[in-house]
Amino acid sequence: DTGVSQDPRHKITKRGQNVTFRCDPISEHNRLYWYRQTLGQGPEFLTYFQNEAQLEKSRLLSDRFSAERPKGSFSTLEIQRTEQGDSAMYLCASSLVIGEDTEAFFGQGTRLTVV
Amino acid sequence: AQSVSQHNHHVILSEAASLELGCNYSYGGTVNLFWYVQYPGQHLQLLLKYFSGDPLVKGIKGFEAEFIKSKFSFNLRKPSVQWSDTAEYFCAVNVALDPGNTPLVFGKGTRLSVIA
Repeated sequence: DTGVSQDPRHKITKRGQNVTFRCDPISEHNRLYWYRQTLGQGPEFLTYFQNEAQLEKSRLLSDRFSAERPKGSFSTLEIQRTEQGDSAMYLCASSLVIGEDTEAFFGQGTRLTVV
Repeated sequence: AQSVSQHNHHVILSEAASLELGCNYSYGGTVNLFWYVQYPGQHLQLLLKYFSGDPLVKGIKGFEAEFIKSKFSFNLRKPSVQWSDTAEYFCAVNVALDPGNTPLVFGKGTRLSVIA
């Protein structure tokens, strides 16, 4: 499968613990996005990268959240001191920008449950 | 900032019925418009997109959508739904920039249940 892959698919953690998620985009894609989706809502934008540069962060991304894309390929999203309100599906997407932008392709997501 | 409204939270249709899902966006400039579908247990997939040109766009699986600029709308239609169309449908918008576009902004989604 050459689509966007995310790992793990599911994560259960205790409140206060740190968690890290990984996203591998489609290999030639230079843009990578992180979204969060809760029940009954559409995906909400968190942050995105063009190559290794983080271009924008949403107000949803509190200082407990940090994302990296060190070599412009895979990305990690870390949540420190998790809270129950962080329980959600975390989605990664990628696209290719060469002047114009292609559509974004989404991974299957990482479902986080904070207990 | 852009926003997207999907007016129908849950739609229930019988097989072969016609479908129309509403989507309105707010943004005064040039936008790109998308419909994504999420089948149970699967990832978001693109159904169709509008970047420019003919405002009536055709997507996969017999879906189409019409961009009406004066109404800021991009409604999704299908003349005859099938049980396999049961899914969550999301309308999304981004702003066309060069290079690249802004990140997608999604509506809250419409759950479609098709019954036999």
